[in-house]
Amino acid sequence: QKEVEQNSGPLSVPEGAIASLNCTYSDRGSQSFFWYRQYSGKSPELIMSIYSNGDKEDGRFTAQLNKASQYVSLLIRDSQPSDSATYLCAVIKVPRQKLVFGTGTRLLVSP
Amino acid sequence: GAVVSQHPSWVICKSGTSVKIECRSLDFQATTMFWYRQFPKQSLMLMATSNEGSKATYEQGVEKDKFLINHASLTLSTLTVTSAHPEDSSFYICSASIGSNQPQHFGDGTRLSIL
Repeated sequence: QKEVEQNSGPLSVPEGAIASLNCTYSDRGSQSFFWYRQYSGKSPELIMSIYSNGDKEDGRFTAQLNKASQYVSLLIRDSQPSDSATYLCAVIKVPRQKLVFGTGTRLLVSP
Repeated sequence: GAVVSQHPSWVICKSGTSVKIECRSLDFQATTMFWYRQFPKQSLMLMATSNEGSKATYEQGVEKDKFLINHASLTLSTLTVTSAHPEDSSFYICSASIGSNQPQHFGDGTRLSIL
C-alpha cells in the first residue's frame, strides 16, 4: 500500500463546475495534511493546509479531513481553465517530519 | 509571506562541471530545508533534509559525496552537484519549513542540463 494514494486522472470538468480531488493515507499517526498545485514545468505551490477533522475553506477551495477514514479531499468551486494543473496531496510522516507526496491528480478544466 | 528564492533557474554546462544551487527563505527563518529532484512526468523525489548547522540527512540511494548540501544559516541552503554528468540532468527544487508539522514552501526550481 502506498503511503499517500491519489487517482492519477485526468479528471475532466467543465468550466464553472465543482472539481473534487481525493486522497487517502496509510500512517494513522499523521497530523498535518497539505494540498499543492503544480503546473507543468513549475514547482509546487501550497494551496491549503489542514490539521483537524472537518472542513476548511479558503476562497474557492475547501479542504476536508477525516482522520478516522484516513481521507483528505480538495473541492474547487467554480473551476476555471487556469485551475488545470496537477494537484498533489501531501502528508507529514512522523517522527521524521518527512513530507510524503501522492503521485498527483491531473485536473483539466475545459472552457 | 513564506517566499523561497532559488537560484539559478537554468543551468546548462559541460559534463564534469560542478554546479551550485542556492535556496533562500526571504521572509522567514527556515529551521529545515529540503532538496528534491523531479524527472519529467514523475513525482517529486526527496533527496535530502538539512537543518541549519548540522549535517544533511540523505535519502536512500542519494550519494552524499556527489550532492553536497550546506545549510550555513537559517535562511540559506546550497546544493552542489559535483562532477555532473548527463544523467544528473533534472529539475531540482528546494523547499523550506518554519518548523515541525508546518507546510513546506517551494522555490521555483532549477532546471539543470548537462551536455
